[in-house]
Amino acid sequence: GNSVTQMEGPVTLSEEAFLTINCTYTATGYPSLFWYVQYPGEGLQLLLKATKADDKGSNKGFEATYRKETTSFHLEKGSVQVSDSAVYFCALSGQGGGYNKLIFGAGTRLAVHP
Amino acid sequence: DAGVIQSPRHEVTEMGQEVTLRCKPISGHDYLFWYRQTMMRGLELLIYFNNNVPIDDSGMPEDRFSAKMPNASFSTLKIQPSEPRDSAVYFCASSPTLAGVYEQYFGPGTRLTVT
Repeated sequence: GNSVTQMEGPVTLSEEAFLTINCTYTATGYPSLFWYVQYPGEGLQLLLKATKADDKGSNKGFEATYRKETTSFHLEKGSVQVSDSAVYFCALSGQGGGYNKLIFGAGTRLAVHP
Repeated sequence: DAGVIQSPRHEVTEMGQEVTLRCKPISGHDYLFWYRQTMMRGLELLIYFNNNVPIDDSGMPEDRFSAKMPNASFSTLKIQPSEPRDSAVYFCASSPTLAGVYEQYFGPGTRLTVT
């Protein structure tokens, strides 16, 4: 079945450091891929998405490229800020009749220190 | 756009009591999802609806949990009787039916504490 695997956290960085959070997936067909972010005490928010191979999603300085050959969708940011501290979830869309059913990874907590 | 609205934001109840969580999806969205989030189990999909009809309830933990969607703008998740292990944050999310659009929009959640 479809699944998403994320690197375990927490990831602790200093402000302005480079961020990579790894995400790999298992799926049949051509799912859409997503990164969601959850700030403390809030619900999940869509951060970025990619709908086909080689697409790059980007938002707020974050980027991720849909790599079908390596089944990956790693999240990157060139210079993190304290305000980026949150939990990040990788997800993929369902298959068949359940496209709107998302499969989420376990989440990776990011802590950025001044 | 008001986004997905959930109420209450916090609920504290005693074991054995009935708890009802409410959700208003984004207008025009045809899919509605209920999730539960805990430290131990992470984010779990409980049930989802399409056009007010339950499509997959395989994530509902047991018969104490039930969900309804009487119309396109309202859904409830009920726990009766509640138990301490039901303590969690419950999220509602909605999604539109548009070709190639599968992202979900989450509400702020209801933090449930059962003592």
